[in-house]
Amino acid sequence: AQSVTQLDSQVPVFEEAPVELRCNYSSSVSVYLFWYVQYPNQGLQLLLKYLSGSTLVESINGFEAEFNKSQTSFHLRKPSVHISDTAEYFCAVSDGPSGTYKYIFGTGTRLKVLA
Amino acid sequence: GAGVSQTPSNKVTEKGKYVELRCDPISGHTALYWYRQSLGQGPEFLIYFQGTGAADDSGLPNDRFFAVRPEGSVSTLKIQRTERGDSAVYLCASSLMGGQGSPLHFGNGTRLTVT
Repeated sequence: AQSVTQLDSQVPVFEEAPVELRCNYSSSVSVYLFWYVQYPNQGLQLLLKYLSGSTLVESINGFEAEFNKSQTSFHLRKPSVHISDTAEYFCAVSDGPSGTYKYIFGTGTRLKVLA
Repeated sequence: GAGVSQTPSNKVTEKGKYVELRCDPISGHTALYWYRQSLGQGPEFLIYFQGTGAADDSGLPNDRFFAVRPEGSVSTLKIQRTERGDSAVYLCASSLMGGQGSPLHFGNGTRLTVT
């Protein structure tokens, strides 16, 4: 069965500093990987996704994530964070082309950007 | 266009009562999911519809929970004899197709409080 581990429940970081939010998954089949973001008092929104091809994927607001099959990881990074990046971030996995429809989420990492 | 709509946004009910939570997905999305999110946790899968049928209801916690999608669009999650442990945010998501990397689009959720 698939599972997702987000080891860091909270990550405080100063504005303009770099950040990495860690995500590890386990699956016996090929996977699709996602990062979702939940801003305060809002619903979950897709931030970026890995389906196939280049292992480095980027979002429109400067985040990037790299799929590492050997380490079963999909860490999220941003070189310089803004106050507006304060939110909760969820990593999710679903089966790849031969798999099913179920999306499994991690427990989330609360990113707090400090002025 | 319109996103996923969930009503009500908040529901307070007494222990033992019956509640219905409604989800209106994005037009044209064939797949619909219900998740439950407790404080400090990630979304927990409850049930998945492809069209009108429940393709997977393995996440429903017990037989007090039931969901329908009679016309392949709007879905209702029904909880009988509510218990305090049912208190959570219930999230609905839709996607263009189930699986195959099709991302989920979430509503803002219904916060259920059982007193």
